[in-house]
Amino acid sequence: QKEVEQDPGPLSVPEGAIVSLNCTYSNSAFQYFMWYRQYSRKGPELLMYTYSSGNKEDGRFTAQVDKSSKYISLFIRDSQPSDSATYLCAPGGIYNQGGKLIFGQGTELSVKP
Amino acid sequence: EPEVTQTPSHQVTQMGQEVILRCVPISNHLYFYWYRQILGQKVEFLVSFYNNEISEKSEIFDDQFSVERPDGSNFTLKIRSTKLEDSAMYFCASKGATDTQYFGPGTRLTVL
Repeated sequence: QKEVEQDPGPLSVPEGAIVSLNCTYSNSAFQYFMWYRQYSRKGPELLMYTYSSGNKEDGRFTAQVDKSSKYISLFIRDSQPSDSATYLCAPGGIYNQGGKLIFGQGTELSVKP
Repeated sequence: EPEVTQTPSHQVTQMGQEVILRCVPISNHLYFYWYRQILGQKVEFLVSFYNNEISEKSEIFDDQFSVERPDGSNFTLKIRSTKLEDSAMYFCASKGATDTQYFGPGTRLTVL
């Protein structure tokens, strides 16, 4: 089983839609869960991160972690064309592993005007 | 806002040649990372570096790779003898007191 699995999409939605992006992971030792956004041929840009199970909200974005089912979600409300990018989940924080992040494949999102 | 910078943005080299990719991490950060992304694939961890030594490395980071912090501002990745399969985007990241890693824009390495 892969450490982090993410549906690569592509996902196409109309402007204003609610978007749900999901990842599963296999290693229960992950301590924190990052979401990055990546535009074509650019570096990953940090969006949000959480440490524990539950929800964390930041503007139009909500990150959700369910450690019991090893499931991570990112919700985008009122999606905009500028949200079109690839979204990467990246758990990390396993003890004694230097803080490395394990990235999912990334989900390509396209928001149509 | 402080940011991670990387040079060059694009490097073309011949197979078997040595390359050095350069990064300037955010100034007060103490943890440094290299990741790579082969075209169309996921971002993969290569190495983490703290207190002037490697703290973790992946199976990809074999003897052909080395990292160095030659002065107080730069962090470099050297590939001694490049192979075709080393062609990828290489991202540097740095981390301070929190767990969030900030990534640079990447260097696109093309090995011919």
